[in-house]
Amino acid sequence: DAGVIQSPRHEVTEMGQEVTLRCKPISGHNSLFWYRQTMMRGLELLIYFNNNVPIDDSGMPEDRFSAKMPNASFSTLKIQPSEPRDSAVYFCASSWDRTHEQYFGPGTRLTVT
Amino acid sequence: KNEVEQSPQNLTAQEGEFITINCSYSVGISALHWLQQHPGGGIVSLFMLSSGKKKHGRLIATINIQEKHSSLHITASHPRDSAVYICAVDTDKLIFGTGTRLQVFP
Repeated sequence: DAGVIQSPRHEVTEMGQEVTLRCKPISGHNSLFWYRQTMMRGLELLIYFNNNVPIDDSGMPEDRFSAKMPNASFSTLKIQPSEPRDSAVYFCASSWDRTHEQYFGPGTRLTVT
Repeated sequence: KNEVEQSPQNLTAQEGEFITINCSYSVGISALHWLQQHPGGGIVSLFMLSSGKKKHGRLIATINIQEKHSSLHITASHPRDSAVYICAVDTDKLIFGTGTRLQVFP
């Protein structure tokens, strides 16, 4: 398996633009996690899906952020409108379920100017 | 006070030394994760623990649920172990420590 795939790897956009980050989990994994990492706040869980259903979205910072998982092999994290404070590395991870270890994607480095 | 505290924040060692990184938490948990983040940014899950001890190669992780404490040990450290090691606890949400930056010199 290719592991967790994220795209794009780097994204530079202007404030106010819509940003869509994509994730393909490992085939067969039922749980998917979106994380954000910044120097100031470290790693934070944004949202957790199980069997394509959002289970915990309490980490989503505000309404500008939304995440979907239309099927078991694809998820998106959208920011609309983007702001400079959204600049961070966004990681996607997947696992068999919450009780198993997570496999992380390479991350998307987002810069909002 | 943070719910997850790691110590030390920074650690330097000579190749071959035995290394210990500590993680203390203040909440009830169902599991604890140890993650490794390489200088290039990639994150690897090392261990997921709910009790006792796990070993993988030169890495050993222990957890004491009563004392709310976990340790990550690296035996015979090597420069390639240089990374940030992050502890995370699973309550009804995942809470991360701030990480321990380890540098191992040859």
